[in-house]
Amino acid sequence: EAGVVQSPRYKIIEKKQPVAFWCNPISGHNTLYWYRQNLGQGPELLIRYENEEAVDDSQLPKDRFSAERLKGVDSTLKIQPAELGDSAVYLCASSLAGGSTDTQYFGPGTRLTVL
Amino acid sequence: GQQLNQSPQSMFIQEGEDVSMNCTSSSIFNTWLWYKQDPGEGPVLLIALYKAGELTSNGRLTAQFGITRKDSFLNISASIPSDVGIYFCAGHPNFGNEKLTFGTGTRLTIIP
Repeated sequence: EAGVVQSPRYKIIEKKQPVAFWCNPISGHNTLYWYRQNLGQGPELLIRYENEEAVDDSQLPKDRFSAERLKGVDSTLKIQPAELGDSAVYLCASSLAGGSTDTQYFGPGTRLTVL
Repeated sequence: GQQLNQSPQSMFIQEGEDVSMNCTSSSIFNTWLWYKQDPGEGPVLLIALYKAGELTSNGRLTAQFGITRKDSFLNISASIPSDVGIYFCAGHPNFGNEKLTFGTGTRLTIIP
């Protein structure tokens, strides 16, 4: 069974440029998460989807970040415009449901470098 | 955002040694999880704990859910080279729309 797929794996952009990340969750998983992991830190949740509905986006910096999961499967996370402080690894995870006992399976992440 | 405190931050051990690390929180969690992250990969779940005082093993790994529900411990016995990586604890309060909170990580290095 395929795991969570993310692309691209690496992205280098100049500040003020837009960037987008794509995630394909494990088949059948209704819940999808986007996390940001700064260097030397653990992942921090940005947004959680239950099917196509964003049920927790309280940590998403909405002035520059946006996300969508139009058909309740794939998701994209966009930053526009990117700032130097956005350099981090962006992780996507999925689970069958959103409960605390539902294991979250993580993708390999996209490493973003903003110059 | 909030991150749980993990110690030690890093460990340098020889192959075959046992490893102990812990995770503490200022608030109560009703689920404790331990993940391992290899370079260039996402975290992978190792052990899940759902009850205060619970002791759970997964091969050479043993984790405990602290009685106060504010801490958790992970032990690795007889370390091998593939144990190298970063270990993260994570806690979940189990109510409402609360999210998983991760620790700051413990980096394990095995000295040849």
